Amino acid sequence: KAGVTQTPRYLIKTRGQQVTLSCSPISGHRSVSWYQQTPGQGLQFLFEYFSETQRNKGNFPGRFSGRQFSNSRSEMNVSTLELGDSALYLCASSVGNNQPQHFGDGTRLSIL
Amino acid sequence: SQELEQSPQSLIVQEGKNLTINCTSSKTLYGLYWYKQKYGEGLIFLMMLQKGGEEKSHEKITAKLDEKKQQSSLHITASQPSHAGIYLCGVQGGSEKLVFGKGTKLTVNP
Repeated sequence: KAGVTQTPRYLIKTRGQQVTLSCSPISGHRSVSWYQQTPGQGLQFLFEYFSETQRNKGNFPGRFSGRQFSNSRSEMNVSTLELGDSALYLCASSVGNNQPQHFGDGTRLSIL
Repeated sequence: SQELEQSPQSLIVQEGKNLTINCTSSKTLYGLYWYKQKYGEGLIFLMMLQKGGEEKSHEKITAKLDEKKQQSSLHITASQPSHAGIYLCGVQGGSEKLVFGKGTKLTVNP
């Protein structure tokens, strides 16, 4: 069974630009969550989608948004990029109902 | 909100030694996850503990949940270089939202 796939693996952007990250969950998983990991703050929850609906949202500004498609694939978008947005963005999928989340290898975003 | 504190923050051991990593919660623990992360990569699910007193093992890694102490421990027996990485504990902070500790960085010297 294929794992969680995130694309691209690496991305370099400049301040003010916007970026879209993609996540393909494990087949059969309907819940997709996104996390931001930085050396200072550690792993922080961004949002979670289930059946195309956002069910949960972390404490991030509105510049961070996401969506989920009918095939459970998900994208997250960050607009007006800031230097502080440089981080490893991780996607995780699960079957839901508080079952273990399985993570992709992440997208490392660097803002210049 | 629930917070998790991991100790130690980093650990260097000689290959073959046993070690323990602790995860202490600021609130009652109803369940806990352990993950391992290699630098710059994703998290690998190790174990999920769902009730007080529960103990699970996988290969040379054993995790326990002490509900009364609001604590979980991860024990590695006869460590190997392949055990090196960052170990993270996490709890459900709401529907499908995981709250993580800061992690414990483990180095195993051959």
